[in-house]
Amino acid sequence: GQQLNQSPQSMFIQEGEDVSMNCTSSSIFNTWLWYKQDPGEGPVLLIALYKAGELTSNGRLTAQFGITRKDSFLNISASIPSDVGIYFCAGQNSGGSNYKLTFGKGTLLTVNP
Amino acid sequence: DAMVIQNPRYQVTQFGKPVTLSCSQTLNHNVMYWYQQKSSQAPKLLFHYYDKDFNNEADTPDNFQSRRPNTSFCFLDIRSPGLGDAAMYLCATSRDLDIHPRNFGAGTRLSVL
Repeated sequence: GQQLNQSPQSMFIQEGEDVSMNCTSSSIFNTWLWYKQDPGEGPVLLIALYKAGELTSNGRLTAQFGITRKDSFLNISASIPSDVGIYFCAGQNSGGSNYKLTFGKGTLLTVNP
Repeated sequence: DAMVIQNPRYQVTQFGKPVTLSCSQTLNHNVMYWYQQKSSQAPKLLFHYYDKDFNNEADTPDNFQSRRPNTSFCFLDIRSPGLGDAAMYLCATSRDLDIHPRNFGAGTRLSVL
């Protein structure tokens, strides 16, 4: 089946720094998603990408759908303490029975104030 | 206001004692999903309902069952919990199958003693 490689596995940064994380896949996806999960909570959708090359922002977050459709990155600018959490990428193919999400293993972000 | 509500947030059960987790939604979405998430791992899809149609993932153990009595509610039944079933259980919804799960509940943390 499809697999996602998400990196880095964890990051320790100072408040105010920019952050970048990415996901690569062995095969293509039609949709790329980025979720954030706070400790003890469910994932929250941050950004959804539907088109190769698409660059989308949500406040200090920016994500891009790679041209090859096999990768995506998420950038966080000027990090703040509440950015702490686990960030998951996920890919989805629509159509037929192959609809379910494939998740990356997550990037644990720690922000030191 | 929470749109996907899971109860309870924490559940403790004994080895082999059946347990039921519940999920309700106010979104009137067609699809409801159940995921299992173990510590430091990505969510793993157990099954989903599209309306009343139940779809089990091939690797979901028979020990896990689900019920959806109406659009708003979905239950996860674990018939004989083992120690390995201790995890966070997440419910999610989407309007349709080819639309990614956008709304996750806060999860139920299950402990098995």
